[in-house]
Amino acid sequence: GAVVSQHPSRVICKSGTSVKIECRSLDFQATTMFWYRQFPKKSLMLMATSNEGSKATYEQGVEKDKFLINHASLTLSTLTVTSAHPEDSSFYICSATVAGASPDTQYFGPGTRLTVL
Amino acid sequence: QKEVEQNSGPLSVPEGAIASLNCTYSDRGSQSFFWYRQYSGKSPELIMSIYSNGDKEDGRFTAQLNKASQYVSLLIRDSQPSDSATYLCAVNAGGFKTIFGAGTRLFVKA
Repeated sequence: GAVVSQHPSRVICKSGTSVKIECRSLDFQATTMFWYRQFPKKSLMLMATSNEGSKATYEQGVEKDKFLINHASLTLSTLTVTSAHPEDSSFYICSATVAGASPDTQYFGPGTRLTVL
Repeated sequence: QKEVEQNSGPLSVPEGAIASLNCTYSDRGSQSFFWYRQYSGKSPELIMSIYSNGDKEDGRFTAQLNKASQYVSLLIRDSQPSDSATYLCAVNAGGFKTIFGAGTRLFVKA
């Protein structure tokens, strides 16, 4: 149980374009979903926290107009990187907590590797 | 600024040995602690969670927590080459927010 999927797993795009990444909880309802970014050999950096039907809470230093998060349902959250630039190239990982279970145990998606040319 | 510190490694152990991974955290009020394993190019996978002082065992893995010393560790017994990965220590920072350490790279030599 507690499977989280992400799509796409890998994306290459041109500078200036926008990229949408989907995060789905497959067999459970996710109370909260998180979006992380990870640079090579670095730890996960929390970008934002989202709850279904409400605006995402962004961490300090993360541009909310650049990284648009939509949490349309209890099983789907999307991250859109707008006007992507090469410095946005990174590994983006979502995670989710299970409604009714321990609120601080996160289940991670497989990640999306974004390369901006 | 709440922090989680880990030795980046690499930690190299021979197959069959015990690997010991350590982590310290700055927020004395933290109550929940986690160890994740991350293979290269993959996302983290939860190995253990621990909430109380002492040891918690699960198969070959033992998590140890000492809140007074703000210290949490992970022991891997009978290390296997497949255990070679980066191990992330994570601490709940209040609410749903979790702070991750930078990870310790473990190499288990066959």
